[in-house]
Amino acid sequence: TQLLEQSPQFLSIQEGENLTVYCNSSSVFSSLQWYRQEPGEGPVLLVTVVTGGEVKKLKRLTFQFGDARKDSSLHITAAQPGDTGLYLCAGARSNYQLIWGAGTKLIIKP
Amino acid sequence: NAGVTQTPKFQVLKTGQSMTLQCAQDMNHEYMSWYRQDPGMGLRLIHYSVGAGITDQGEVPNGYNVSRSTTEDFPLRLLSAAPSQTSVYFCASSYREIGTEAFFGQGTRLTVV
Repeated sequence: TQLLEQSPQFLSIQEGENLTVYCNSSSVFSSLQWYRQEPGEGPVLLVTVVTGGEVKKLKRLTFQFGDARKDSSLHITAAQPGDTGLYLCAGARSNYQLIWGAGTKLIIKP
Repeated sequence: NAGVTQTPKFQVLKTGQSMTLQCAQDMNHEYMSWYRQDPGMGLRLIHYSVGAGITDQGEVPNGYNVSRSTTEDFPLRLLSAAPSQTSVYFCASSYREIGTEAFFGQGTRLTVV
């Protein structure tokens, strides 16, 4: 049973388009992180959100944590080929364990 | 900065063989963990450690052992490899417990035949 559901699983769009990736759960998390992973590499942290309703921006990427701290979204504006990768969300269930989504594979075509 | 170093990068084992995946970090992080990543399933926690001499089981610990004799090193041992252990394994470290940034190694792609 996947405690964190990510959607879509796969997304292929043209450069310049906007997109949103979702991370949903029935569980409450104390914090939620988004990572990006490139082929042959480990995940790299993009952002951590902690407060319900929190919005964080990282250049063209906007992250939002749901008010109830059960879900999160990642919005990319004017996607670039360099945004291509696997996007993973991870929720903190306790002090020592992260629960991971299966990931969204994003391809941005020039 | 080396960060988190995993060796080997690739490995093929025969069923029943044992081996150790090495993980070392040079950031003086207390928290270290081992994950396996399988297609469509995300990362699953195998074992973790909150400091030297302290280890605990994660979500999928069966068939794996760990030890933490130093802050820097956290090896993962496969006791008797099975085809179900074919996966990509990642070691990660963070300054303290969950909520701080996790730094990952480059991964070990293991195939058990």
